[in-house]
Amino acid sequence: EAAVTQSPRNKVTVTGGNVTLSCRQTNSHNYMYWYRQDTGHGLRLIHYSYGAGNLQIGDVPDGYKATRTTQEDFFLLLELASPSQTSLYFCASSAGSQNTLYFGAGTRLSVL
Amino acid sequence: QEKVQQSPESLIVPEGAMSSLNCTFSNSASQSIWWYQQHPGKGPEALISIFSNGNKKEGRLTVYLNRASLHVSLHIRDSQPSDSAVYLCAAPSGSFNKLTFGAGTRLAVCP
Repeated sequence: EAAVTQSPRNKVTVTGGNVTLSCRQTNSHNYMYWYRQDTGHGLRLIHYSYGAGNLQIGDVPDGYKATRTTQEDFFLLLELASPSQTSLYFCASSAGSQNTLYFGAGTRLSVL
Repeated sequence: QEKVQQSPESLIVPEGAMSSLNCTFSNSASQSIWWYQQHPGKGPEALISIFSNGNKKEGRLTVYLNRASLHVSLHIRDSQPSDSAVYLCAAPSGSFNKLTFGAGTRLAVCP
């Protein structure tokens, strides 16, 4: 079964702070995604990647950067965190187009 | 950009009843439509997908897809308290399996 591990599980930072969320998948999937989940909006795609070094812009990218350093590792960077970025963040991976997305357990981020 | 809307926002059913969830999407050329299940404190898990018009059955789950009306529904027969979760409908948009999710339906099955 696909394994996607996110860290940290919880993070509190202050406005203007620098935050890095980490995601590692161990199933050699090509595609990786970062979503945020907010009440009333469901899951919204921030950034995604189809391989090491590749980055694609999602639907809500403002204020976020991402980097795919290896096939396994995908990072989400908030360089100047704002309260509007308080949310539940999910990483996911999939083998390819039309394949199942496997999600991590999520990271709850609070920006004070 | 794909738009996915789900109804109802929440649903309460007694144990053993049928649960019916609805979803509309905006692109008739969409590929497979997906349903994901999310329990509290967990990430979403894929439940079932459908590509062709018509219905698809897996165990207690039945999905109906009508591309002409841009509508898909999920029906859970003999609902159990363990089915209590948020159900997310998702449709692909663009390339690279970029899924757009609806806001979800919160299902509560009462013993």
